[in-house]
This record gives sequence, structure tokens and C-alpha cells, in this order.
Amino acid sequence: EDQVTQSPEALRLQEGESSSLNCSYTVSGLRGLFWYRQDPGKGPEFLFTLYSAGEEKEKERLKATLTKKESFLHITAPKPEDSATYLCAVPRRGSGNTGKLIFGQGTTLQVKP
Amino acid sequence: DTAVSQTPKYLVTQMGNDKSIKCEQNLGHDTMYWYKQDSKKFLKIMFSYNNKELIINETVPNRFSPKSPDKAHLNLHINSLELGDSAVYFCASSQGVDEQFFGPGTRLTVL
Repeated sequence: EDQVTQSPEALRLQEGESSSLNCSYTVSGLRGLFWYRQDPGKGPEFLFTLYSAGEEKEKERLKATLTKKESFLHITAPKPEDSATYLCAVPRRGSGNTGKLIFGQGTTLQVKP
Repeated sequence: DTAVSQTPKYLVTQMGNDKSIKCEQNLGHDTMYWYKQDSKKFLKIMFSYNNKELIINETVPNRFSPKSPDKAHLNLHINSLELGDSAVYFCASSQGVDEQFFGPGTRLTVL
């Protein structure tokens, strides 16, 4: 069964303390992995799409990387405004062109000043 | 200039009532979705429409009926609301299978 698992479930960091969030998946024939940020009371906000192992993308203090079985979201020198829930998602196997995504349960990041 | 908008933002209603949630996107996308996010923040797809045609219909009670009058709109009608329907419902849109853009959500509370 296709699965997406994120760890840790919650992460508390001090401002400036770098760390990584993990997203592991079991979907074969990956056709993209998406990272989103969700603030409380808001909809998920798109961050990155990764398509192939070895690919990396960066945006401000965030860098996403992809291997054949997992993706990492590295947060360098985080600030309190980086506090949010980070979600990853992959298209379900056999979903063709339907855009049917499986989401992980998310990692809730809290950055303290 | 909101990309994906939903109304209402909050919906509080009694069990057994019928309610609708509306969604509109101005991104020119051809595919729209409805997701349900439960209390544990787990996002699960319910429906997807591509060019007004239903392409994903997950195992959702038939009390839920989506309707797409045109490519820019996807509404969700729920009949005979139950306590377990309480959740946050998100609309999203994409161009084909590219990244999906989400609306602000509708928090439904069934009393």
C-alpha cells in the first residue's frame, strides 16, 4: 500500500538552530514529491516539487532534497516565522493524470526566539 | 487577487441539515479538488474534477455531492450532516498533475 510517513511529528528548535525534517515514501515509480507549509487556520502553501533522486531545491532558509526512498527538508538558521506544519505528498501509484496525492501526517515545527 | 477562494470560512450547523461550500479559482487551472482535514490534521482527497468532469471519487458517503458548473468553480454539497462530518474542508486547484494550490479552508462544525 502506498504510504507517506513524516518524522518527527513535532520539532522544537531555538532560533538559529538548524535541523531537518524527514518524509519517507513507499510509492514505486515516483512521479514527483511535493512539500507544503501550513500555518494554523490556513490552507497548505506550496513550497517545492522534486522529481528525481539527487534533486535539490532551495527557498530562503529551506532546502529540499530527494533520494529514492525519502526526502528531507533542511531548515538552516530558522526564525520564529518558520514555525508551521510542514507536509509532504506524493501522487498515488496508478493515479495516472489525476493528481491524486497521498499526504503525510506532517511535522509541526516551533521555533523559539 | 486571491488565487483559490472558499466560502464560507466557518459553518456551524445542526445534525441532519444540508449545507454547501463554494470554491472558485482564478489561476486558469483545469483541475480542482476537495480535501478533508481531520482533527489530526491528516489531509485526505475526496473528489477531483478535470475540465468539469469527475475524475477522482474516493470512498466518500454519497451524502457528499460535488458539482462543477465551470472550470473555475467546484462546489461541495453535503446532505443530512452527521457529527463525523465536522472537519476542515479545503478546495485546491492545479494545472494537470502539477503542484496544487489550496484555498483557505472551511471549518465545518456539526452540532
